[in-house]
This record gives sequence, structure tokens and C-alpha cells, in this order.
Amino acid sequence: NAGVTQTPKFQVLKTGQSMTLQCAQDMNHEYMSWYRQDPGMGLRLIHYSVGAGITDQGEVPNGYNVSRSTTEDFPLRLLSAAPSQTSVYFCASSSGTTGGYTFGSGTRLTVV
Amino acid sequence: EDQVTQSPEALRLQEGESSSLNCSYTVSGLRGLFWYRQDPGKGPEFLFTLYSAGEEKEKERLKATLTKKESFLHITAPKPEDSATYLCAVSGGAQKLVFGQGTRLTINP
Repeated sequence: NAGVTQTPKFQVLKTGQSMTLQCAQDMNHEYMSWYRQDPGMGLRLIHYSVGAGITDQGEVPNGYNVSRSTTEDFPLRLLSAAPSQTSVYFCASSSGTTGGYTFGSGTRLTVV
Repeated sequence: EDQVTQSPEALRLQEGESSSLNCSYTVSGLRGLFWYRQDPGKGPEFLFTLYSAGEEKEKERLKATLTKKESFLHITAPKPEDSATYLCAVSGGAQKLVFGQGTRLTINP
């Protein structure tokens, strides 16, 4: 039982490049979310999903795309990386019953 | 707009010195208030969910309480291993969480 797995753990991108942050969970959770964490800003919701095929925007969605083709996977795509997207990204999942989200260990992204 | 404010930003205690962390919130229709612990370089770790005013939850040296406007995380006789950042979050629905900025707790031996 791996929980929530995020890859890669570290990534450096050049401005304008695109990439996909991977997130997979093995707990059969319906709810999944992506957050970014910046110093002094706390965790902010980027996109979330309430089930396979259903996604919606969070607080800071611009510059990011998501899709949810399976219950297990919820990838986050950066379309054209910008220095403002330098951050630590966390994926999380929840069954919705106990309310608590299980977080992955994060992806530290630097855009130069 | 849902908002969460945590205080203090940082707290330094001696081992065994009890204290409380505060989480003030505004939300349209509280579905749940959550406490997490985050260690450096790691993802947040779920501690508690509180659903209604008056509710209390305990885990080892931690006790979380909830009123209609705020929540407290009480730490009794803390140990150095309790050092971490403690995050508070609220959900107004659809499992969307709004987080506070956290309280960085340091317990000196």
C-alpha cells in the first residue's frame, strides 16, 4: 500500500517548456487535488477532481491543466512554464468519508 | 470567500511546556475543519477532522477543539519530536480545502 505517489521529486525547467507532474494513489479514493505551497502563502488549491472524468478549478488554476481518466491517476500539466510557477507541488487524495486528505511527498519545481 | 488565519506564525517552547495554537476561520457552511502536521521536506500528515462546535479530538499529546469561529490545537507536555509546522484547513464543500499559513512549532530539549 504505497498511498499517494508523486513523480518526479525534483525538476528544473526552462521558461516556456512544458511538463507533466504525475500523481497516483492506490487507496481507491474518489477525491483528488493538486496544491502548490509557497513561502508565506500556505497551500493553495490548483485543481481538484471528485471522480474519474470530473475535474474543476481551484484558487490558482491559470497555467495548469488536469485530467482524470482513471480513479488512480491525476496528472498535472504545466503548459508553458514561467518562473512564477516555481514552487512545491503536492497531490492529495481522500475517500471523503473521514474527511482527511492523504498527501504525497511533493515535487519541488524550479523554473529558470 | 473562505479564509483561515493561524497564530502565532512561530512558537518556541521548552520540552514539557504546554501551549495552544490558534486557527480562526470564516467559511460559508463548514463541512469540516482539519489539522495537519508537516515536517520539513515532506507532505502534510493528517491529524484530526472536526465537524461541529463543541467537538474535541485527541491523539497522544495533541487535543483539537472547535468553536463557531476558531479551533485550538492544545499541546500538552510536548517533546522535541513534536517540532513541526502545524496546518489548519477548512472545507466548505466538494472536499476543497482552504489552508492557513501554518504555525512553526519548535520544542527545545
